[in-house]
Order: sequence, then structure tokens, then C-alpha cells
Amino acid sequence: AQSVTQLGSHVSVSEGALVLLRCNYSSSVPPYLFWYVQYPNQGLQLLLKYTSAATLVKGINGFEAEFKKSETSFHLTKPSAHMSDAAEYFCAVSGTRQLTFGSGTQLTVLP
Amino acid sequence: ETGVTQSPTHLIKTRGQQVTLRCSSQSGHNTVSWYQQALGQGPQFIFQYYREEENGRGNFPPRFSGLQFPNYSSELNVNALELDDSALYLCASSSAGGPRDANEQFFGPGTRLTVL
Repeated sequence: AQSVTQLGSHVSVSEGALVLLRCNYSSSVPPYLFWYVQYPNQGLQLLLKYTSAATLVKGINGFEAEFKKSETSFHLTKPSAHMSDAAEYFCAVSGTRQLTFGSGTQLTVLP
Repeated sequence: ETGVTQSPTHLIKTRGQQVTLRCSSQSGHNTVSWYQQALGQGPQFIFQYYREEENGRGNFPPRFSGLQFPNYSSELNVNALELDDSALYLCASSSAGGPRDANEQFFGPGTRLTVL
């Protein structure tokens, strides 16, 4: 069985500051990992995915994530936060059919 | 390229009623997955349809059922609605049998169901 844990249900950063959203996974097989973003009243948009190629994955909107097997982590980062980054972020791990999501992290960007 | 669409956007029902939600997959995609997202939580997998057959199911009771049509569109049916069924229902389409193929799932905007 696969699972993910997102540490911190709410994260606040100042505009221009580093964004770090944490995700730890558990998987019985080599995982495929995903980060999705959800804006209010919208569906999920894929930010980036790890599928056993390069451990540092670059996504859209300046986000990136690093797969660390030894730490079972897949944290999401962005060097400089923008007001438009305010949203909810979900980490997910793939199973044989479905994605298993974490409980989400609400990112607030302060002016 | 048309993305994933869902209808209706909002729905209000009362306990015990039945509801049907609809999803049109993205062009070229043959697999549809349904997720339930309760308020303040991450999406939870309900089931997946591939080639018009259920291809995997999460921990949801049989009163949650679905269909997939030859054009790959899909319906989610929920019978005997309960208050806890109030949630955002998300449909996702992909071009293979599951995310292990590294084909990402494209999500629709969701249907917000409120059960009173």
C-alpha cells in the first residue's frame, strides 16, 4: 500500500521568500510521485512528477522537487514566492490504478 | 485540445435521494478515474473505468457506482445519499490504465455536491 504525509496543513511565507512544502511517502514499490495545485473552486493542476528518472524534478511556475529515497521525501520548493502561488498543494503517490493524496498544505503568501 | 469537463458544477440533494454526475474525458484519453474530496481533505479514489469496465475501486460502498461509455465519457451514480457524501467530486482522465504508466491524470473542475 502507498501513502503520503504532508507536514504542515498551513504554511505562510512572505512574497519573495523561499517556499518549502514537505511530503514524505511510503510505498512498497519504487514510487511515482506527484505534486498538484488546487486554486479555490477549481480542480487539480499537475505541477510536476517523479517517475524514476532524474531525482531533481522541475515543474511549472518555477517549482521543483527533489526525490530522496533515504529520507522517503519529495519536498516541493520555489526560490521566490509570488502572490499568485497562494493555493492548496497536494502531494500524491501512484498505486496500480489510483493516486493516493496527502491531506494538503494551504500556502498563504503575505505581501 | 478539449480538457476534462464535468457537469453539473453544483448540486443540492436531500438525504436518501440519488444523484448522477457526468464527466467528459480529455481528447485521446481512454481511462477515467473518480475521486471524492471532502472539505479540508485530499481527494480519495472512488474507482476507475477503462474500456467501459471498472478497473479498480477504493474503499467506497456499492451505492457508489459508475459507467463508462464508448466515447470514454463517464458517470458517477450515488444512491441513498448521506450527509457525509457532501464533497467535491473530481473526475480525472488519462491515456492508459493507470498512473504507473507515468501518464499523468488530468483533472476536471469538479462537481460540488451538497446533501441536506
